[in-house]
This record gives sequence, structure tokens and C-alpha cells, in this order.
Amino acid sequence: EDQVTQSPEALRLQEGESSSLNCSYTVSGLRGLFWYRQDPGKGPEFLFTLYSAGEEKEKERLKATLTKKESFLHITAPKPEDSATYLCAVPTSGTYKYIFGTGTRLKVLA
Amino acid sequence: GAGVSQSPRYKVAKRGQDVALRCDPISGHVSLFWYQQALGQGPEFLTYFQNEAQLDKSGLPSDRFFAERPEGSVSTLKIQRTQQEDSAVYLCASSTGTGSNTIYFGEGSWLTVV
Repeated sequence: EDQVTQSPEALRLQEGESSSLNCSYTVSGLRGLFWYRQDPGKGPEFLFTLYSAGEEKEKERLKATLTKKESFLHITAPKPEDSATYLCAVPTSGTYKYIFGTGTRLKVLA
Repeated sequence: GAGVSQSPRYKVAKRGQDVALRCDPISGHVSLFWYQQALGQGPEFLTYFQNEAQLDKSGLPSDRFFAERPEGSVSTLKIQRTQQEDSAVYLCASSTGTGSNTIYFGEGSWLTVV
């Protein structure tokens, strides 16, 4: 069964304290792994798509990487405005739907 | 439009009422998805449209849930005889193609059943 698991569930960082969020996936024939940011009361906002192992994407303080089993979202020198829930998703094999992890709630303290 | 638009943003319904949630996808997007998100959880798939055809409705939790996209653009998710467990955020998303394209979400419709 296709599955996405994110860890940790919640993370508190001091401003400037770098860390990584994990997204482990089980899917036959990966057709992309998607990262989203979700602020309270808002819909998920697209961040990155990764398609193959070894691929990396960067945007400001965020860098996403992909292996054959998991993806990491690295946050370098985070700021309070990076506080949000970060979601990852994969398209499932043989269907049209994308499945999401439960997210990592990140809080960056000033 | 510039993004996916959903209405109403907030809806309070009495138990047993019917509700209709509207989604206006990004212009020209072929694919349209409905997701349900409970507090503290990730989005859960409800249904998928490719143009006007509903190709997957495996996530609809009961026959009280019904979705349509009659002209291949605007979509409506209807919930009949609402129950308290239907309280959630209902997210609509769209994408350009039919494969593993990026899906873009609206702000969601927050449904509270009292």
C-alpha cells in the first residue's frame, strides 16, 4: 500500500538553528514528490517537486533533497516567518490521487 | 483567475442541513481534486475530475457526499444531511495535466456542523 510518513510531528527551533524535516514514502514507481507549506487557516502552498533520487531544489532558506526512500527538507538559519506546517505528497501508483503525510508543524522562536 | 478560488470560506451548518461548496479552478486546468482536512492532519483525498469526467470518487466517505463538474471548469461538492463528523476544511486543487503535475490548492472552505 502506498504510504507517506513525516517526522517529526512538531519541531521548535530557535531563530538561526538549522534542522531537517523527513518525509519517508512507499510507492511503486515514484512519479514525483511534492513539498508544500501550510499556514494556519490557509490552503497548502506549493514549494518544490522532486522527480529522481539525487535531485535537489532550493528556495531561500529551504533545500529539498530526494533518495529512493525518503526526502528531506533542510531549513538553514530559519526565521520566525518560516513557522508553518510542512507537508509532503506523492501521486499514488495506478490512480489519480496524491497522498499526503500528516505534516511537520515547525515553530521558529525569535 | 490567478489562483484556485473557493466559496464560502466559512460555513456553519446545523446537523441535517445540506451544504454546497464551490470551487473555481485555475483557468485551463484539466484536473480538479477535492480533499478533506481535519485539524492537525494532512489532506485526505475525496475525488478527482478530469475535465467534466469524475474518474475517481473512492475517497468520498458516504453516499451523502456528491461532487460534480458539469462543464469541466467550476466544481461543486455537496454534502447532504450533514453530521458533526463532517466538520473539516474542504480543499479544492487543480493542475494543468493529467499525470504527476503540481497541484495548486485554494484557501479551503471551513465547515462546522453544530
